[in-house]
Amino acid sequence: DQQVKQNSPSLSVQEGRISILNCDYTNSMFDYFLWYKKYPAEGPTFLISISSIKDKNEDGRFTVFLNKSAKHLSLHIVPSQPGDSAVYFCAARAQLGLSFGAGTTVTVRA
Amino acid sequence: EAGVTQSPTHLIKTRGQQATLRCSPISGHTSVYWYQQALGLGLQFLLWYDEGEERNRGNFPPRFSGRQFPNYSSELNVNALELEDSALYLCASSRDSIDPLHFGNGTRLTVT
Repeated sequence: DQQVKQNSPSLSVQEGRISILNCDYTNSMFDYFLWYKKYPAEGPTFLISISSIKDKNEDGRFTVFLNKSAKHLSLHIVPSQPGDSAVYFCAARAQLGLSFGAGTTVTVRA
Repeated sequence: EAGVTQSPTHLIKTRGQQATLRCSPISGHTSVYWYQQALGLGLQFLLWYDEGEERNRGNFPPRFSGRQFPNYSSELNVNALELEDSALYLCASSRDSIDPLHFGNGTRLTVT
């Protein structure tokens, strides 16, 4: 049962433009949401998070938006840079641990 | 600060054998998590250990097991290996339930 879904397996964006990654979840008990970034041959690294009591969190070029009523969150990367090319995982936390989405592969074109 | 370390980096086994994967958490982290990333799939939760006890396990058969040692390092054991067990196995650690997970680079298990 996939409680966290990333329906877009890939995203291609031009350098300097905005990247928008989407994530949907089904479990209303999730209280904390995170985004991780993964390069090939490396483990995922934490990028940004948001508590369920907030609707927006910003950190430099990265902004995460949470719409609890729609059970939807998104990650905006502005402006996109070549080093942002990676796999991005959405994750949600409930009492018994983190559930991850399947990931979205972002390719930033020069 | 040293990150999460996993060994071996690569492991090749034949069907029916057993595999043991090891993980050392970041110093001061008491929780260890194991995830499986099969080709084309996301991170599937396997096991969570905290303070030496299993706190939760994912939807995997009992031949996937593990333990956490007093120094908080952890082992993942996979018995009676099947071809579909071929995957990247990621270990992560955290200080507590609020701290984001910090991942190692994984062990690539290949079952032939």
